[in-house]
Amino acid sequence: AQTVTQSQPEMSVQEAETVTLSCTYDTSESDYYLFWYKQPPSRQMILVIRQEAYKQQNATENRFSVNFQKAAKSFSLKISDSQLGDAAMYFCAYRSGGFQKLVFGTGTRLLVSP
Amino acid sequence: EPEVTQTPSHQVTQMGQEVILRCVPISNHLYFYWYRQILGQKVEFLVSFYNNEISEKSEIFDDQFSVERPDGSNFTLKIRSTKLEDSAMYFCASSAPRGGAGTDTQYFGPGTRLTVL
Repeated sequence: AQTVTQSQPEMSVQEAETVTLSCTYDTSESDYYLFWYKQPPSRQMILVIRQEAYKQQNATENRFSVNFQKAAKSFSLKISDSQLGDAAMYFCAYRSGGFQKLVFGTGTRLLVSP
Repeated sequence: EPEVTQTPSHQVTQMGQEVILRCVPISNHLYFYWYRQILGQKVEFLVSFYNNEISEKSEIFDDQFSVERPDGSNFTLKIRSTKLEDSAMYFCASSAPRGGAGTDTQYFGPGTRLTVL
């Protein structure tokens, strides 16, 4: 079974600085998708960024980018120019190419200070 | 921008009672899902639904749970006899726009907080 590991329960960053959240996963499949979701205090799950495993190019969405290392099974999220509104839980998630369910990690709480 | 909606936002029930959680997925999506998140824990998959039938379910999704798409817009999760441990946030999600790209991305609703007393 696929597993997703987020080894950082909590991270802190100051406004305008850059922070990287780590995620590793375990799979024997070659076709899959990876996601980062943000969960603010309202507890809604908001998609931040997605990556297809067959694409070598790292995904970017404005201030958010990923470092996808397929051989190492690593999928880290970099947040540049951090803002107070970035404070939230961040979940890494895996989806097999053949199945629909998302497998989530345990989450990293990001604190942003002025 | 289209979004997934869920009602109610908070449901309080007594142990042993039946509850129905409601979701309206994004209108042109084909796959629908339920997930749950017990407070302080990670999000767990319950079930996926496609073409009016369950396509995948987890071991959590036992006989106490059922899903239904009663009409063209709603998607419901029923818990027949609630237990204390069913207290959690329940998220509905949808994906796979008909005839469109991006079949892999699931969009989540705001969640229903279920409290079982």
